[in-house]
Amino acid sequence: EVQLVESGGGLVQPGGSLRLSCAASGFTFSSYWMSWVRQAPGKGLEWVANIKQDGSEKYYVDSVKGRFTISRDNAKNSLYLQMNSLRAEDTAVYYCAREVYYYDSSGYGQGGAFDIWGQGTMVTVSS
Amino acid sequence: DIQMTQSPSSLSASVGDRVTITCRASQSISSYLNWYQQKPGKAPKLLIYAASSLQSGVPSRFSGSGSGTDFTLTISSLQPEDFATYYCQQSYSTPPLFTFGPGTKVDIK
Repeated sequence: EVQLVESGGGLVQPGGSLRLSCAASGFTFSSYWMSWVRQAPGKGLEWVANIKQDGSEKYYVDSVKGRFTISRDNAKNSLYLQMNSLRAEDTAVYYCAREVYYYDSSGYGQGGAFDIWGQGTMVTVSS
Repeated sequence: DIQMTQSPSSLSASVGDRVTITCRASQSISSYLNWYQQKPGKAPKLLIYAASSLQSGVPSRFSGSGSGTDFTLTISSLQPEDFATYYCQQSYSTPPLFTFGPGTKVDIK
């Protein structure tokens, strides 16, 4: 079964740090871009960061640049998000998600989507 | 940055109704538009990719259309399990950055 399982969430004080993990199974993890997506309580979805298959490219939403670091260990089929200098506005459920890229019959790219999601892990930043 | 809007923000409908949700991008995104369904306490589920392609396993009552800046998700005959929040998401940006719309909540009339 294709599966993503997040862990590492919890309560942390403002300015603190937390490391999230995502364990992948049921597919060739090293073949996919991977992302973190978050959702603040009662709010919509926000893409946070992603990482290329070999870890050579990483991208972040502006609000977390310089504070969050995405990484992966393909030998362990695992994705990570190191979160430093946490703020109250980082409070959210954090999902890891697999990116899949689609191509038409001519081989022309049709963009990417998140086809597999974990169950999410809650991060609460509060004193 | 590409901004996404959705309308309406919420709607009430009955089982069997035809439901249409609109998503608009702040600039042309070709057909690089996906739709997701999210139920309370659950992770989102991919319904439609590349504006109009149905994800495997998704019922055929769901359909998507549009290109450029204006897109539509249609549920042809609303079922009880379809009451949820729906999000559009663009994947046009390079490098691969993603933006979601604010969501449309579909509840029972």
